[in-house]
Amino acid sequence: NAGVTQTPKFQVLKTGQSMTLQCAQDMNHNSMYWYRQDPGMGLRLIYYSASEGTTDKGEVPNGYNVSRLNKREFSLRLESAAPSQTSVYFCASSEYTGISNQPQHFGDGTRLSIL
Amino acid sequence: GDSVTQMEGPVTLSEEAFLTINCTYTATGYPSLFWYVQYPGEGLQLLLKATKADDKGSNKGFEATYRKETTSFHLEKGSVQVSDSAVYFCALSGDQAGTALIFGKGTTLSVSS
Repeated sequence: NAGVTQTPKFQVLKTGQSMTLQCAQDMNHNSMYWYRQDPGMGLRLIYYSASEGTTDKGEVPNGYNVSRLNKREFSLRLESAAPSQTSVYFCASSEYTGISNQPQHFGDGTRLSIL
Repeated sequence: GDSVTQMEGPVTLSEEAFLTINCTYTATGYPSLFWYVQYPGEGLQLLLKATKADDKGSNKGFEATYRKETTSFHLEKGSVQVSDSAVYFCALSGDQAGTALIFGKGTTLSVSS
């Protein structure tokens, strides 16, 4: 019963390096999301994909790009990492019933440090 | 825009004490409301939800009632346990497809025996 799977779980990068965070869900959900969590800030939305083939910016999209590869997978790319992007990144997915959004299911997070 | 405000923590209680964590929201339309819990080193887990006014969500002894007149969704538990120590997040979701969650900043609960 995998749910939402994120890889890697931990990563250390140097400033200027690039990397892609992977996310996959096996619940056949239409919508997927990327958040970052910083101390005292709650979770802030980076990008989301309401359905396969669409992506939209969230609250803090600068410095990131996303790809909705197919219905299952939604990746987040840092093209040139900066220390301000040190954070814990969470991927989530959900379904829409036609009336309301169902609760989002979260992965275990990727802890990213940029030196 | 939509927003969620929850009480600042940390909240420190003794085992079997009564817990209230306040949450108020600002939103247009008919949002759904959620409480999520995050245990140390883990992701967020849904604790309970309410999708319309006057709905009461409940799970594991926790309860919250969707109050449209006061725009509130306060979390309560009658008798906390040490195992309830975690960070609690109030969140709302708009009523359009694919709307992302808007989170409060989280409240840390610490329960001692």
